[in-house]
Amino acid sequence: DAGVIQSPRHEVTEMGQEVTLRCKPISGHNSLFWYRQTMMRGLELLIYFNNNVPIDDSGMPEDRFSAKMPNASFSTLKIQPSEPRDSAVYFCASTRPGGGSTDTQYFGPGTRLTVL
Amino acid sequence: KQEVTQIPAALSVPEGENLVLNCSFTDSAIYNLQWFRQDPGKGLTSLLLIQSSQREQTSGRLNASLDKSSGRSTLYIAASQPGDSATYLCAVVNSGGYQKVTFGTGTKLQVIP
Repeated sequence: DAGVIQSPRHEVTEMGQEVTLRCKPISGHNSLFWYRQTMMRGLELLIYFNNNVPIDDSGMPEDRFSAKMPNASFSTLKIQPSEPRDSAVYFCASTRPGGGSTDTQYFGPGTRLTVL
Repeated sequence: KQEVTQIPAALSVPEGENLVLNCSFTDSAIYNLQWFRQDPGKGLTSLLLIQSSQREQTSGRLNASLDKSSGRSTLYIAASQPGDSATYLCAVVNSGGYQKVTFGTGTKLQVIP
């Protein structure tokens, strides 16, 4: 299996622009997580989907952030408008059916976002 | 709110040493605890998962222990190698509710040849 796929791997944008990060979970996995990692705050859970339904979005920083999972094989995280403080590495992870948040998470390589 | 702490933040040891990484959590009502490894510029890779009913798990040179009542876990690495150099993170899954995952801030390990 190809593992969790994220794109782009690197994104540099200017403040105020819209940014869309993409994730393809491992085939057959039905739980998906978006995380943000910074030096100051470590790894933070942004949102958790189970069977394409958002279960917990309490970690989404503010209304500028939105996430969708239109089907089992694709999810997006959108930031609009972006700000310099959004600069971080964004990870996507998935777990096997039935595992939900309690099973081993398989992480993608991350997207390094820089907002100038 | 669950808080997960890892001390020290960084550790440097000579090759061949046995070492222990620490993870502390504030809420003992957990479902399981996981240890991950993160290499620079990469995602996280799961190393070991300990269920709340277990005391330890082993995989090769790695041994993770869990003391739920005291809110602590340790990751023991035997005979460390330069290839073990990475950041190690622990993650706690709360019991009850939807079982939220909380990560520690990690310990950056350097094994010197």
